[in-house]
Amino acid sequence: QSVLTQPPSVSGAPGQRVTISCTGSSSNIGAGFDVHWYQQLPGTAPKLLLYGNNDRPSGVPDRFSGSKSGTSASLAITGLQAEDEADYYCQSYDNSLSVNYVFGTGTKVTAL
Amino acid sequence: QVQLVESGGGVVQSGRSLTLSCAASGFTFSSHGMHWVRQAPGKGLEWVAVIWYDGTNKYYADSVKGRFTISRDNSKNTLYLQMNSLRAEDTAVYYCARDSSRAGFDLWGRGTLVTVSS
Repeated sequence: QSVLTQPPSVSGAPGQRVTISCTGSSSNIGAGFDVHWYQQLPGTAPKLLLYGNNDRPSGVPDRFSGSKSGTSASLAITGLQAEDEADYYCQSYDNSLSVNYVFGTGTKVTAL
Repeated sequence: QVQLVESGGGVVQSGRSLTLSCAASGFTFSSHGMHWVRQAPGKGLEWVAVIWYDGTNKYYADSVKGRFTISRDNSKNTLYLQMNSLRAEDTAVYYCARDSSRAGFDLWGRGTLVTVSS
């Protein structure tokens, strides 16, 4: 049902770089709307991780970075740590309906 | 401290109503748009509704339009979600979240669980 598609899971060894894609369309990411990313640790509420495609709120480590191109965006974790094991969601805005804030399908990151 | 605290969740029969509350503290509540976002058990996040900082505009996801009503009382620093004609598919943890004006949802509550039984 979500209009933003993410891979269900990604994994990597500690210290490796992993990336999560977020694929949208011309009515959301491709229309120029910003992409935000959220981290949800097990059993907790989501937390804003990146906003405005690649800006970090205070306190977020700089190993998290984002990018956007065309109808897609991506989140990179450089130097994966065990504490980064969580679900990650992208979020944007879609103008194909009345008003619609949309979330991605979510990606579970596992540190091997 | 800066926080959002949801309350009002519980078990309710299909077709009945329930009202959720979200108490805000530590920031100027009346300056921010506010959202409700839900998460069904084992599923992803789903945006539910938004209300402008002054309550003048309200928008809903198609899945809840006509059944849910978002409102706020800025004098009480509280956000509400009135949920009518509840269905099994409305079973979820409901989070309130603060809108940071084009910089994402920058503050979330811990959520309150709503279970709709048939």
